[in-house]
Amino acid sequence: DQQVKQNSPSLSVQEGRISILNCDYTNSMFDYFLWYKKYPAEGPTFLISISSIKDKNEDGRFTVFLNKSAKHLSLHIVPSQPGDSAVYFCAAKGANAGGTSYGKLTFGQGTILTVHP
Amino acid sequence: KAGVTQTPRYLIKTRGQQVTLSCSPISGHRSVSWYQQTPGQGLQFLFEYFSETQRNKGNFPGRFSGRQFSNSRSEMNVSTLELGDSALYLCASSLLGVETQYFGPGTRLLVL
Repeated sequence: DQQVKQNSPSLSVQEGRISILNCDYTNSMFDYFLWYKKYPAEGPTFLISISSIKDKNEDGRFTVFLNKSAKHLSLHIVPSQPGDSAVYFCAAKGANAGGTSYGKLTFGQGTILTVHP
Repeated sequence: KAGVTQTPRYLIKTRGQQVTLSCSPISGHRSVSWYQQTPGQGLQFLFEYFSETQRNKGNFPGRFSGRQFSNSRSEMNVSTLELGDSALYLCASSLLGVETQYFGPGTRLLVL
């Protein structure tokens, strides 16, 4: 039962253009969402987060949008740079029914972003 | 501020052995979570510790255990290693366990 899904395994974008990475979730108890960037054999690097009380959060070239009714979030990178090429994971935090959410992030399977010069 | 550190970075073990991995959180962070990353299962939550107490646990067998010390440093232990335990083990820290987590570089474990 995959509660967080990234349906696009890969995305290829030209330098300078916009990259849009998508993520869907099924658990309505999730209340905090994060995006991480990861290189092989390294730990994930935090990029940006959004609380469920907001629908948008910006940080420099990165913007995250949250559509709670559709249970969908997206990460926009503008403009895309070759150094952005990596695997991007979305993650969600929140209590499952009868459970605790302390310290637990549920991750999607990741999307490989390639930005071509 | 120094980031999350994990030791060792690489480890090779044989089936049946046990292994202990260490994690030092960001200074001031009291919550430490552990994750396993494999190609087939992705990033899976193992457990979380706060103030030396396990507060949350994922769906892993009892061979996987952990602890946290009074300085917030944490260790995880895997006993009776199986081939399927080969993975990247990541630890992450946060202030209280309810906000953004910051990850260490991971320990790559290979079980032969």
